Amino acid sequence: AQTVTQSQPEMSVQEAETVTLSCTYDTSESDYYLFWYKQPPSRQMILVIRQEAYKQQNATENRFSVNFQKAAKSFSLKISDSQLGDAAMYFCAYRSGIQGAQKLVFGQGTRLTINP
Amino acid sequence: KAGVTQTPRYLIKTRGQQVTLSCSPISGHRSVSWYQQTPGQGLQFLFEYFSETQRNKGNFPGRFSGRQFSNSRSEMNVSTLELGDSALYLCASSLTTGGDGSPLHFGNGTRLTVT
Repeated sequence: AQTVTQSQPEMSVQEAETVTLSCTYDTSESDYYLFWYKQPPSRQMILVIRQEAYKQQNATENRFSVNFQKAAKSFSLKISDSQLGDAAMYFCAYRSGIQGAQKLVFGQGTRLTINP
Repeated sequence: KAGVTQTPRYLIKTRGQQVTLSCSPISGHRSVSWYQQTPGQGLQFLFEYFSETQRNKGNFPGRFSGRQFSNSRSEMNVSTLELGDSALYLCASSLTTGGDGSPLHFGNGTRLTVT
């Protein structure tokens, strides 16, 4: 079974600085997808960024980028120019590439605080 | 386009009762998944429906059930409620059943409290 581990329960950063959230995963599959979701106090899980395992290029979405190390099974999220609105719980998630495998496996989450 | 809508937002029930939660997916999405979120266990997959058929099921007792209607709306039912069922229940919809990495879009969740 696949597992996802986020080793940082809490992180804090000064506004406008850069922060990196860590995520490691375990799988024997070669085809899969990785996601970072953000959950603010409104409770809605919002997709931040998505990475296909077969792509070597790291995904980027505006201020958010990932460092995907497939051999090390590592998938960290970098947030540049942190803003107050970035404060939330961040979840790393894994999904198999097998057709019909819709299930997401989540890490335990990292609570990110932005200090003004 | 409207997002995933879950109703109600809050529920308070007593042990032994049953509860039904509702989820309306994004228009055009045919896959609906349910997740349970608790402080202790985190986010756990309950089940997934596609075209009115349950495609996958997580490791939950039979008290947890669901269904999907022809318009893709889904309901989740929990019978004989236990204190441990208190949780945030999240619904997510997707265009496909996976395999292509299409992202899941989540609703705001239903907060269930069992007393």
